[in-house]
Amino acid sequence: GQQVMQIPQYQHVQEGEDFTTYCNSSTTLSNIQWYKQRPGGHPVFLIQLVKSGEVKKQKRLTFQFGEAKKNSSLHITATQTTDVGTYFCAGPPGTYKYIFGTGTRLKVLA
Amino acid sequence: DTAVSQTPKYLVTQMGNDKSIKCEQNLGHDTMYWYKQDSKKFLKIMFSYNNKELIINETVPNRFSPKSPDKAHLNLHINSLELGDSAVYFCASSLHTGQGENYGYTFGSGTRLTVV
Repeated sequence: GQQVMQIPQYQHVQEGEDFTTYCNSSTTLSNIQWYKQRPGGHPVFLIQLVKSGEVKKQKRLTFQFGEAKKNSSLHITATQTTDVGTYFCAGPPGTYKYIFGTGTRLKVLA
Repeated sequence: DTAVSQTPKYLVTQMGNDKSIKCEQNLGHDTMYWYKQDSKKFLKIMFSYNNKELIINETVPNRFSPKSPDKAHLNLHINSLELGDSAVYFCASSLHTGQGENYGYTFGSGTRLTVV
């Protein structure tokens, strides 16, 4: 079955440093979504990328969809303590079902 | 107004008991889901209902039975609870395009189930 892996699994950064998480799918995706889950919270939808090579920005967050539509990345510039949480990518291997990636847990040290 | 609400938030129960988790969404979404998140934070889909019809039923023990009385509600009943059922269960909803893709999930706040 389809697998969606994310690296790294964990990342500790000093506040103000940049952070990147990578998402790799075993199959081509029609689109990819990103979610953030704060500690003790629930996943919250951040963004959806659809086009090959697409880049979208949300303030300090930059999302990219690979040319082959099998990988994606989320980059955070100048991390803040509010960025703490687990970041998930998710993609649809089929109708009505999105497979979530393994997640990257980000810890920001003040 | 909570968009996707789940109850209860916490559930502690003994092995062998039967329990239910309720979920309601007021977003007008056409599809609802149950996801299980284990201690390693992996999110795995269990079930999905589109307009009250079961469309996804992953490899889940038949002790788990979902029920969707209408588009806005999706409940999960679990029989004969086992220690391994301990996890956080998330309800989610989404609105789908005609091609079966969605515009993003909205998750409930989760139900932390602990089986002792």
